[in-house]
Amino acid sequence: EVQLLESGGGLVQPGGSLRLSCAASGLTFSNYAMSWVRQAPGKGLEWVSAISGSGGTAYYADSVKGRFTISRDNSKKMLYLQMNSLRAEDTAVYHCANSGGGTQDAFDIWGQGTMVTVSS
Amino acid sequence: QSVLTQPPSVSGAPGQRVTISCTGSSSNIGTGYDVHWYQHLPGTAPKLLIFGNSNRPSGVPDRFSGSKSGTSASLAITGLQAEDEADYYCQSYDYSLSGWVFGGGTKLTVL
Repeated sequence: EVQLLESGGGLVQPGGSLRLSCAASGLTFSNYAMSWVRQAPGKGLEWVSAISGSGGTAYYADSVKGRFTISRDNSKKMLYLQMNSLRAEDTAVYHCANSGGGTQDAFDIWGQGTMVTVSS
Repeated sequence: QSVLTQPPSVSGAPGQRVTISCTGSSSNIGTGYDVHWYQHLPGTAPKLLIFGNSNRPSGVPDRFSGSKSGTSASLAITGLQAEDEADYYCQSYDYSLSGWVFGGGTKLTVL
């Protein structure tokens, strides 16, 4: 059974940093692209960032470009999201999800998410 | 405001049929990108319900079906059950944004 488990969320002040992690099991991790998708309180789902299976290519939503960095360690089956210069509007539950990596591919399996709260 | 437009809410009685629409534009659904649908209960992991416009992953009941035409797509749920009460999201890719996009979500209430 494929499982994704996020961790690293918490309360951080505006302008601060946080690193999220996503541990994968039950799949050949390097075969899949991975994404981060967030849901702000009372809002819908928003794609944040994606990374290719090899880790060589990364994509970002305009709302986080230049502030967030996605990375992965295929040997450890881990996905990461380094979040810098955090803003109140980054407050959300952050989910990791896997996909085939192409623009036509769906997000197959999702984790339950980790909550990030940006507040002073 | 989401790139893909969904009704905020729909409702139906047990056993009835409901549909949820998803309207995009020429830079996403209209240009041929596939539409996928997810079921989400707050506090849980979203679940892939329909992929590639009309395909069901293994384990998803055939009460759920998807279709796409032009710049829009639809999710239909027949034989409504209490357990279907959840939020439903459509998703596609947008070439002008160079990213994956979601609808705003539709809350399904089973009366």
